[in-house]
Amino acid sequence: GEDVEQSLFLSVREGDSSVINCTYTDSSSTYLYWYKQEPGAGLQLLTYIFSNMDMKQDQRLTVLLNKKDKHLSLRIADTQTGDSAIYFCAESRSPGGGNKLTFGTGTQLKVEL
Amino acid sequence: EPEVTQTPSHQVTQMGQEVILRCVPISNHLYFYWYRQILGQKVEFLVSFYNNEISEKSEIFDDQFSVERPDGSNFTLKIRSTKLEDSAMYFCASSEPGATNEKLFFGSGTQLSVL
Repeated sequence: GEDVEQSLFLSVREGDSSVINCTYTDSSSTYLYWYKQEPGAGLQLLTYIFSNMDMKQDQRLTVLLNKKDKHLSLRIADTQTGDSAIYFCAESRSPGGGNKLTFGTGTQLKVEL
Repeated sequence: EPEVTQTPSHQVTQMGQEVILRCVPISNHLYFYWYRQILGQKVEFLVSFYNNEISEKSEIFDDQFSVERPDGSNFTLKIRSTKLEDSAMYFCASSEPGATNEKLFFGSGTQLSVL
């Protein structure tokens, strides 16, 4: 079945770049997503990438997709303390007929001053 | 900005009791979902719902679970006889079908504690 894996923790200094990595197993994934979860809050969609793309940039966020290696990364430029949260990678295979997502374990990002 | 709302934010119940978790999806969305996250584990898909019927469900969604859209705005998840292992954060989500990318929008979750 599908599986999505992430490292559990990442600590960076404020102002540095953060890179959160994700690997997935399902080669038929069509969309890959990054969600952010702040303490006590729900899952906020940050960005997504279609599987035929290899890069997408959205302000401070850059998503890189290596489809051959099934590796996805999220780079946050100029990381701020407000970026401290858990970041979830997710993949889907069924757009257009309901969208069942498979989530990774989540990466806890801690931004230090 | 429209959002998915869930009530209550916390629910404590005794084992064997029935609970109903409530959600108000985004008004023009037609697909509705429940996911759950047991503490320390991944967010897991439970069920998707479209056109007043279940479109897909996971192995977790057994006969103890049911979903309903009782009116034009609410979407509920009922657990008939709760077990200790049902303790989790339950997330409702909705999406607008037919878009190029059916982005899911999640609510803030209901933390269910079964004692």
